[in-house]
Order: sequence, then C-alpha cells, then structure tokens
Amino acid sequence: AQTVTQSQPEMSVQEAETVTLSCTYDTSESDYYLFWYKQPPSRQMILVIRQEAYKQQNATENRFSVNFQKAAKSFSLKISDSQLGDAAMYFCAYSIRSGNTPLVFGKGTRLSVIA
Amino acid sequence: EAQVTQNPRYLITVTGKKLTVTCSQNMNHEYMSWYRQDPGLGLRQIYYSMNVEVTDKGDVPEGYKVSRKEKRNFPLILESPSPNQTSLYFCASGGVQGRDTGELFFGEGSRLTVL
Repeated sequence: AQTVTQSQPEMSVQEAETVTLSCTYDTSESDYYLFWYKQPPSRQMILVIRQEAYKQQNATENRFSVNFQKAAKSFSLKISDSQLGDAAMYFCAYSIRSGNTPLVFGKGTRLSVIA
Repeated sequence: EAQVTQNPRYLITVTGKKLTVTCSQNMNHEYMSWYRQDPGLGLRQIYYSMNVEVTDKGDVPEGYKVSRKEKRNFPLILESPSPNQTSLYFCASGGVQGRDTGELFFGEGSRLTVL
C-alpha cells in the first residue's frame, strides 16, 4: 500500500524568509502524481503545486517550488519570501496515474508565519 | 463557476439518528470521493466512486454508506451515527486518471458532531 509521510507536525518561519516542508512516500509504481495542498483556517483544500513523476524538472508556482527526488521518494515543498497568508496546514499527497484516483495524504504539517 | 458543494456545512446530531451529507459537483467529473479529517491523522478516504452506479470502499468505510445514482451527486449516509464519527468531512471530485491532471477538487467541508 502506498504511504505518505510528513515528519514535521509543525514548522515556523519568519515573514520574508524561506521554509522547506518535507515529504516522503512509499510506492512500487513508476508513474504517479504528487501534490501539495494547503488548508488555511477556512478549511478549504487548495492545490498549491503538482508534480508528475515522469517529469524530472521540479515544478514551480510563483513562490512555491518542489524538490522532487524520485529515487529517494522525496518530495519537499519550498516556500520563498514567506507571507502571513501562507500560514496553514500543508498536506503532501500521492496518487497513481492509472486506474482510479485514490489520493493518499500525509498527516500534514502546520506552518506558522511570524511577523 | 466550477465547484463541489457539500451540505450541511455544520451539523450537531445525536447517536443513532440517521443523517445524510450531500455532495454535488458541476464539472462532469467521473470520479468522486469522501474523506474524513481528524487531528493528527490527516485525510482518510471513506468511499469513492469511479462513475455512476460504481462505488468502492476506501480505508475507513465502517459505519458509512454511499450511492451514485447520478454523475453529479455522491451523498454520504450515516445510518446510525456514533461519537467516533465526529469529524470534518470532505467531498472531492476529479477526472479519470489518464485523461486528466490527477488533481482532486474539494468541497468546503462539513463539520459533524455526534453527541
């Protein structure tokens, strides 16, 4: 069974600084997706960034980028120039590319941003 | 506007009183799923549906039922709620793998309390 592990239950960062959230996963599949979702206090699940396993280039979305290490099964999220609005729970998630879409989540990392 | 709509958003009920949480999506997605979110456990899948009249158990299906009679709707039924079903519930939808981005679109969540 696929598993996703986020080893940092809580993190904090100073405003304008950079922070990296860790995620590792376990799978025997070779073709899959990886995601980072953000859940602010409003509870809405918001997609931050998405990576396709067959792409070696790391995905980037404005201040958000990932470090995807396929051999190590690692998928960390880097937030640059942190803003107060980045404070949220962040979930790493995985799904296989074929068949159904059983999005498997990690337990989350709560990020605090300090002004 | 593309969206997943859940109702009710908040509900307090008592043990044993049947309830239904509705979910509707307007994106013509084949795939729909229910998750529950509990502190320290992340999001866990309850049931999912690949298409109309096709449903399957997720990781934590006990105590829940679902149906998929129409493509747009996927209600979650608690026949006899118990206090351990107190949780935050999310409905999500997405395209079928291989023809889409793998992303799931989430509703705003339903906070259920069972006394």
